[in-house]
Amino acid sequence: EVQLVESGGGLVLPGGSLRLSCVAFGFTLNDFWMSWVRQAPGKGLEWVANIKEDGSEKYYVDSVKGRFTISRDTAKNSLYLQMNTLRAEDTAVYYCVRAVGSSSSWWGQGTLVTVSS
Amino acid sequence: QSVLTQPPSASGTPGQRVTISCSGSNSNIGRNPVNWYHHLPGTAPKLLIYTNNQRPSGVPDRFSGSKSGTSASLAISGLQSEDEADYYCAAWDGSLKAYVFGTGTQVTVL
Repeated sequence: EVQLVESGGGLVLPGGSLRLSCVAFGFTLNDFWMSWVRQAPGKGLEWVANIKEDGSEKYYVDSVKGRFTISRDTAKNSLYLQMNTLRAEDTAVYYCVRAVGSSSSWWGQGTLVTVSS
Repeated sequence: QSVLTQPPSASGTPGQRVTISCSGSNSNIGRNPVNWYHHLPGTAPKLLIYTNNQRPSGVPDRFSGSKSGTSASLAISGLQSEDEADYYCAAWDGSLKAYVFGTGTQVTVL
């Protein structure tokens, strides 16, 4: 059965760092583009970053460029999002997504990141 | 970075047809396929329509998508109470090098 299980969310001070993880079950991560999508409280969905199947291409929304890094570990079948210099506006539920725009699309349940002092 | 514009709300009575519009530009909808998502707050979003008008398996044929130029639309026919949710369009934007979501439309069944 296909599953995406996110972890690593929590409360962090402004300027701090967090690393989100997403473990994939039931499929091989390297066979798909993978993405992170977030939803801030009371706001809509916002794509954050994605990474190509072989990791050769990565793209980011302008607001996180230079602060966030998407990566994957083939051996652990896992996707990561390293988030540095966090701001209050990064507060959101972060979803790990397989193939966000194709018939193979699959979403995790999300992990909450709260940036607050 | 919401470059795709949707109406904030739409509503209908059970059995009616509701249409949601999504307006973009040449750099996104004009050149790339449009996808639609269904989202109930507190749950994982779900792909409803991909590549403009294709339904993933398991999605009822009451849901249909279309695209013309720089706009797209989602139609829900035979509206049911369980269709109450937020709906988002999305597409790749070649100029921004970003996958952009629409502003979202909350559908209410009266």
